Amino acid sequence: EDQVTQSPEALRLQEGESSSLNCSYTVSGLRGLFWYRQDPGKGPEFLFTLYSAGEEKEKERLKATLTKKESFLHITAPKPEDSATYLCAVPVYFGSGTKLNVKP
Amino acid sequence: NAGVTQTPKFQVLKTGQSMTLQCAQDMNHEYMSWYRQDPGMGLRLIHYSVGAGITDQGEVPNGYNVSRSTTEDFPLRLLSAAPSQTSVYFCASSYSMSGSGELFFGEGSRLTVL
Repeated sequence: EDQVTQSPEALRLQEGESSSLNCSYTVSGLRGLFWYRQDPGKGPEFLFTLYSAGEEKEKERLKATLTKKESFLHITAPKPEDSATYLCAVPVYFGSGTKLNVKP
Repeated sequence: NAGVTQTPKFQVLKTGQSMTLQCAQDMNHEYMSWYRQDPGMGLRLIHYSVGAGITDQGEVPNGYNVSRSTTEDFPLRLLSAAPSQTSVYFCASSYSMSGSGELFFGEGSRLTVL
């Protein structure tokens, strides 16, 4: 069965302090690695899809990268509005998420 | 542009009661699915459907029934609610019939079973 593990569970950053979130996966055949953002009381919203090792995608302060076993979501100079839970999935099995809190 | 619509948003049940969570999408997606989300456990797949008349079990199907009579609707039924079914439920759809495309989620239905 496909498995996804995310770390850390929670991350507190100061505004402008860059960091990375990790998603480790085990799948029989990768059909895409997906990143979602979830705000409190809302459903997850799609951010990126990565299909092959070495692939990168960017959106504003976020950049997602993929290796054969992991994906990273890099957050550069985060702002308080980046505070949310970030989920990865392969593609219908989800990790438990990383709750990001960015303080001004 | 409604997307995925779930009702009700909140519901309180007593143990043993039955209810149906409704899900409708207006994007003509063949793939639809139900998840439950519990603290520390992420989203877990309950049931999914790849088209009208076709449903299958996910990771945690026990205690839940589904049917898919139309492309638009995918209701989730709890036949005899238990406190362990207290959770937030999300319906999601995808343009990919195998579910390997991005998922579009509803706003969620928060269920409490006393």
